[in-house]
Amino acid sequence: GAVVSQHPSWVICKSGTSVKIECRSLDFQATTMFWYRQFPKQSLMLMATSNEGSKATYEQGVEKDKFLINHASLTLSTLTVTSAHPEDSSFYICSASFRGKGNEQYFGPGTRLTVT
Amino acid sequence: AQTVTQSQPEMSVQEAETVTLSCTYDTSESDYYLFWYKQPPSRQMILVIRQEAYKQQNATENRFSVNFQKAAKSFSLKISDSQLGDAAMYFCAYRSALGAGGTSYGKLTFGQGTILTVHP
Repeated sequence: GAVVSQHPSWVICKSGTSVKIECRSLDFQATTMFWYRQFPKQSLMLMATSNEGSKATYEQGVEKDKFLINHASLTLSTLTVTSAHPEDSSFYICSASFRGKGNEQYFGPGTRLTVT
Repeated sequence: AQTVTQSQPEMSVQEAETVTLSCTYDTSESDYYLFWYKQPPSRQMILVIRQEAYKQQNATENRFSVNFQKAAKSFSLKISDSQLGDAAMYFCAYRSALGAGGTSYGKLTFGQGTILTVHP
């Protein structure tokens, strides 16, 4: 149990376009979802925390207008990178948690974004 | 704010040997959780072991065990009988046990990571 999926696993987009990444909890209802960004051989950097039905809380230094997060249901959260630029190329990881599961975070497999 | 420090960017071990990864953290809280996560080349984050701060007994999971020293704010991971499949990046992480409503509720604070290489 506690499986989290992400789609797509890899996406290439052109500079200036927007790209949406989906994060789904497959077998539980996630009250909270987290979005992370990770550069090669570096740690995970938390971008934002989203709770179902409410606005996401962004970490300091993360542009909320550039990284749009929507948590429309208890099983789906989306991250949209708007007007992507090459410096947005990175590995994006989501995680989901539910109080009934001890508030553990269950991680998705990640999405590799390449902006050309 | 809490911080987690992993001072070993890279470690290596021979297959079947034992290796210890270090982690220290800083917090003013008394109740919290500590974790070790493994990130293999696939980059899927895998929970290795979890420790609750109020428990004095060190957590163990098969070949993985921790040495939790609360007063010293130290949380090291020992991998016994290392296997080739243990090769990965390992992250130490902290999570507050504070209730809902706090700004840090549920958040994980990660260390910098340690790349573990296992030699056959």
